[in-house]
Amino acid sequence: QKEVEQNSGPLSVPEGAIASLNCTYSDRGSQSFFWYRQYSGKSPELIMFIYSNGDKEDGRFTAQLNKASQYVSLLIRDSQPSDSATYLCAVTPSGAGSYQLTFGKGTKLSVIP
Amino acid sequence: NAGVMQNPRHLVRRRGQEARLRCSPMKGHSHVYWYRQLPEEGLKFMVYLQKENIIDESGMPKERFSAEFPKEGPSILRIQQVVRGDSAAYFCASSQSGTDSGNTIYFGEGSWLTVV
Repeated sequence: QKEVEQNSGPLSVPEGAIASLNCTYSDRGSQSFFWYRQYSGKSPELIMFIYSNGDKEDGRFTAQLNKASQYVSLLIRDSQPSDSATYLCAVTPSGAGSYQLTFGKGTKLSVIP
Repeated sequence: NAGVMQNPRHLVRRRGQEARLRCSPMKGHSHVYWYRQLPEEGLKFMVYLQKENIIDESGMPKERFSAEFPKEGPSILRIQQVVRGDSAAYFCASSQSGTDSGNTIYFGEGSWLTVV
């Protein structure tokens, strides 16, 4: 079974610190990797996507992908209380439609003012 | 600024009743996907539909669940004879193209089903 694993947390960081969220996936053929943010009772909101090994930066967010280790991470710099949410890692597995995202259970992030 | 619209947002059903969840895709989108999020679980793909067609229902439970996307009107996810295990958040998503990936799929705010 193709799985995406995340530490459920909660991960607590002080305001202004770097939050590091990690995700591993079992399907070595996975092609696309996504990070979604989900506030309680709300829809998942896309934060970042990454397709190639290495780092991708967008504002305060950096996604890192290491396909050899089957590992993807999200760094949030200068964390703000408004970043407090559950972060979902999602993967498009091999052999599935590109719309068939496989999600982890999410990591709950709490940014302490 | 209409995103993906889902209703009802919250629905309570007794065991054995039917639940109908509706989804109107974003303007200009003709591809609809349903995902389910069980408590303490990740979102799981259920079904992918275009107008009047089910394209991929590989994630749908074999019994009691059905989905449609008629020529006119919203997509409907129907759960017959609900059981407590059906209690979950049901998210609809839409995209312009069926080859769209996670970066072009837009989620609605979900319908929370509680079975009592």
